[in-house]
Amino acid sequence: GAVVSQHPSRVICKSGTSVKIECRSLDFQATTMFWYRQFPKQSLMLMATSNEGSKATYEQGVEKDKFLINHASLTLSTLTVTSAHPEDSSFYICSGSGTDTQYFGPGTRLTVL
Amino acid sequence: DAKTTQPPSMDCAEGRAANLPCNHSTISGNEYVYWYRQIHSQGPQYIIHGLKNNETNEMASLIITEDRKSSTLILPHATLRDTAVYYCIVARSPAGNKLTFGGGTRVLVKP
Repeated sequence: GAVVSQHPSRVICKSGTSVKIECRSLDFQATTMFWYRQFPKQSLMLMATSNEGSKATYEQGVEKDKFLINHASLTLSTLTVTSAHPEDSSFYICSGSGTDTQYFGPGTRLTVL
Repeated sequence: DAKTTQPPSMDCAEGRAANLPCNHSTISGNEYVYWYRQIHSQGPQYIIHGLKNNETNEMASLIITEDRKSSTLILPHATLRDTAVYYCIVARSPAGNKLTFGGGTRVLVKP
């Protein structure tokens, strides 16, 4: 199957700082990429959908000014968590839309102190 | 997207077949049935998907009832590495469409 990578896999930051997470489709072009968030013992929750070259579409309740998404190419999308707070600590997962399904990255665990 | 109902957990014996049920009674004609699994602290892994015909690949088989209101994922010979949360998701054609994850079934494969 197609491969999606995320970087970093784990990040710890201080409250008030910003963190950037990269999502890359390594062997396919993803016109659409998705960002999910998963809190402990919960299921994945979609945060936003991004299409290459256009603005992301955010799910209800997700602050677009806090979670900045850029999808500048068919193989790269970035999520920046601005002014992170402890409640933003979570497992962030991206996916890329292939021809027949979505392929997910390994996830990034963010801990905000 | 149609909702799905899965049992919250199930155990199965190593080496035996694992049959995971999913109900999706409100599925519409253009919606596919997808199965993913998530091993602890990893991203979801695609397993299989189908529209109305049964499907088989190297990982699993997917049996969809004729009325499409339910389906069963079959892991033919479960191993300890198959311990994971399995998600059954109904969604339209994959390109560009979001997937809505429910609670899934937590499968524990025991020796």
